[in-house]
Amino acid sequence: SQKIEQNSEALNIQEGKTATLTCNYTNYSPAYLQWYRQDPGRGPVFLLLIRENEKEKRKERLKVTFDTTLKQSLFHITASQPADSATYLCAPPGGYQKVTFGTGTKLQVIP
Amino acid sequence: DVKVTQSSRYLVKRTGEKVFLECVQDMDHENMFWYRQDPGLGLRLIYFSYDVKMKEKGDIPEGYSVSREKKERFSLILESASTNQTSMYLCASSLGGAFTEAFFGQGTRLTVV
Repeated sequence: SQKIEQNSEALNIQEGKTATLTCNYTNYSPAYLQWYRQDPGRGPVFLLLIRENEKEKRKERLKVTFDTTLKQSLFHITASQPADSATYLCAPPGGYQKVTFGTGTKLQVIP
Repeated sequence: DVKVTQSSRYLVKRTGEKVFLECVQDMDHENMFWYRQDPGLGLRLIYFSYDVKMKEKGDIPEGYSVSREKKERFSLILESASTNQTSMYLCASSLGGAFTEAFFGQGTRLTVV
């Protein structure tokens, strides 16, 4: 069955450093991947979408890569700030028009 | 801005009660979703609707049903609430077609006692 894996352990980094979060998937080949941010007690908010024919996508301090050979997407936040502290969710499609989610990685940026 | 509104932020219900969770979106989106989120398990899709009166089961539909009589409104129904349905419930909507992002409501934290 399709499986999405994100590092379930929290990631703690120092302010100003680059945070890198990993999303691995198995048993399927998604045409695209989305990344969302979720703050405690709130619904997820969309950040970026990357298609399988795009190696990299950027938005301000965010960068996403998509390696279909490794079956992996990496999510980078450069010059991280305490306000970036949140849980980040990888979301490949779960069928046509459906969105499925990994369990997320909690990022803590330490001042 | 797209707005997805869930009727309650917090809800406490008794075992065996019939529970309705309501969700309304204001952007004329084709698709609407209901997820539940539990620690360590992430967001799991309960039901998905791609048009009025159309629905598809998600990964965990047991114990739930849905209703979509109008395009903007998608209701989740717990026919007979049980304690294992205590969870955070999240509604989302998206424009029809592939490659479209989902917009989420603020969530309803349901406690079944």
